[in-house]
Amino acid sequence: GIQVEQSPPDLILQEGANSTLRCNFSDSVNNLQWFHQNPWGQLINLFYIPSGTKQNGRLSATTVATERYSLLYISSSQTTDSGVYFCAVVGSGYSTLTFGKGTMLLVSP
Amino acid sequence: SQTIHQWPATLVQPVGSPLSLECTVEGTSNPNLYWYRQAAGRGLQLLFYSVGIGQISSEVPQNLSASRPQDRQFILSSKKLLLSDSGFYLCAWSPPPGVNQPQHFGDGTRLSIL
Repeated sequence: GIQVEQSPPDLILQEGANSTLRCNFSDSVNNLQWFHQNPWGQLINLFYIPSGTKQNGRLSATTVATERYSLLYISSSQTTDSGVYFCAVVGSGYSTLTFGKGTMLLVSP
Repeated sequence: SQTIHQWPATLVQPVGSPLSLECTVEGTSNPNLYWYRQAAGRGLQLLFYSVGIGQISSEVPQNLSASRPQDRQFILSSKKLLLSDSGFYLCAWSPPPGVNQPQHFGDGTRLSIL
């Protein structure tokens, strides 16, 4: 099956800093999603982005499908951005999401 | 708009007891439905998915089973829980046909086995 690798595994930021999270995948994909899991366990959809670039407020994401990676940008980070960020993909020929192991982000005041 | 409900939010069960977790979706028809487990640590593992009533695909052999008695209802069950069944269980849905559509998750059930 498809492999999904996220980096870095852990990240500590001061409030107001910017960051870039990376997701590499081993094969072509039909679907790519970024999620934020908050401290209460809720898994929140950030982006559905199998290709191209999208922006939502302080967050943006870019997927370069031909080079098999996606980036999540967080600007002017806030303490409420803390949690685990997951990348998940549906590989071509498959119908289910495969998750990366996540990036744990801690934003300190 | 579509919503997904999972219950209970938290459950503590003794080893060997049965389990039933329920998930329902509102505001859509014929959704694809999924059960995931997140053990201690961070990874999410797909347990079951369903593309229609009575149609269940199992991703990993385990002590659990799933059923879909109605179009928008997905149930995760066990006859006898093991300690290793502890974890955070998440239900998700996606619009049909499901492959190129985003998945949306419920708030999860935190299951502790004593």
